[in-house]
Amino acid sequence: SQTIHQWPATLVQPVGSPLSLECTVEGTSNPNLYWYRQAAGRGLQLLFYSVGIGQISSEVPQNLSASRPQDRQFILSSKKLLLSDSGFYLCAWSVLPASGGVNTEAFFGQGTRLTVV
Amino acid sequence: QKEVEQDPGPLSVPEGAIVSLNCTYSNSAFQYFMWYRQYSRKGPELLMYTYSSGNKEDGRFTAQVDKSSKYISLFIRDSQPSDSATYLCAPYFSGGYNKLIFGAGTRLAVHP
Repeated sequence: SQTIHQWPATLVQPVGSPLSLECTVEGTSNPNLYWYRQAAGRGLQLLFYSVGIGQISSEVPQNLSASRPQDRQFILSSKKLLLSDSGFYLCAWSVLPASGGVNTEAFFGQGTRLTVV
Repeated sequence: QKEVEQDPGPLSVPEGAIVSLNCTYSNSAFQYFMWYRQYSRKGPELLMYTYSSGNKEDGRFTAQVDKSSKYISLFIRDSQPSDSATYLCAPYFSGGYNKLIFGAGTRLAVHP
C-alpha cells in the first residue's frame, strides 16, 4: 500500500532562518507531488507541483522553493523565512488514472505546522 | 478571478440538520468535482466526487454539479457531530493537466 511521510510535525523558526521540509512517498512510482499551504481563513493554497524528477511548477511567487531530487521525494525550502510564511504545510501525491480511469485522488501527509517568530 | 470560490464559514448547525455546502468555479474545462473532508490538524481526505453534471449519492452525502451555472454543492442529511470538519471542493480536468486546486474550505460544526 502507498504511504506518505512528512516531517517534522511542528516547527518554530526565527525570522530570517532557513527552512527545509521533506516529504517522501512509498509504494508508488512516478507520482505527481504537491506542496500546499493552509493559513487560517485562506484555504488550501497550491505552492508547487511536480510531475517528475527535476520538474517543478510554481504557482505563487514567494521566497519559497521546491526540489524533487528523487522520484518519491519532494522538498520545500526557504533561504530566509518571513513572518508571513507561518502556516500549515501539506504535502500530497496523486497518480493519473490508468487508461479508462476517470479520476485522480490526492493523498495528503499529516502536515507541518510552521510558526515563524 | 479565482478558479474556485468557497465560503469559508464557519457554519454551525444542530445535530440532525440538513447541511448545504457550495462552491463556484470559473473554468468550464473542469470535468470532475471532488469533495475532501479535513479534520482538525489532519490532511484532507477524499469524501466523494462527481463527473460532469448531475447528482451522486453516498449514504448521507449527496454531491451535485450544475455545469451551466458552474456551481457545485455537497448536501449532508441527518448531520452528526462526527461530521464536524472542514469541507473543501476540488474541481479537476484530465487530459494531462496535473494541477490540483482546492476551494478555501467551509468549516462545519455540528452540535448535539
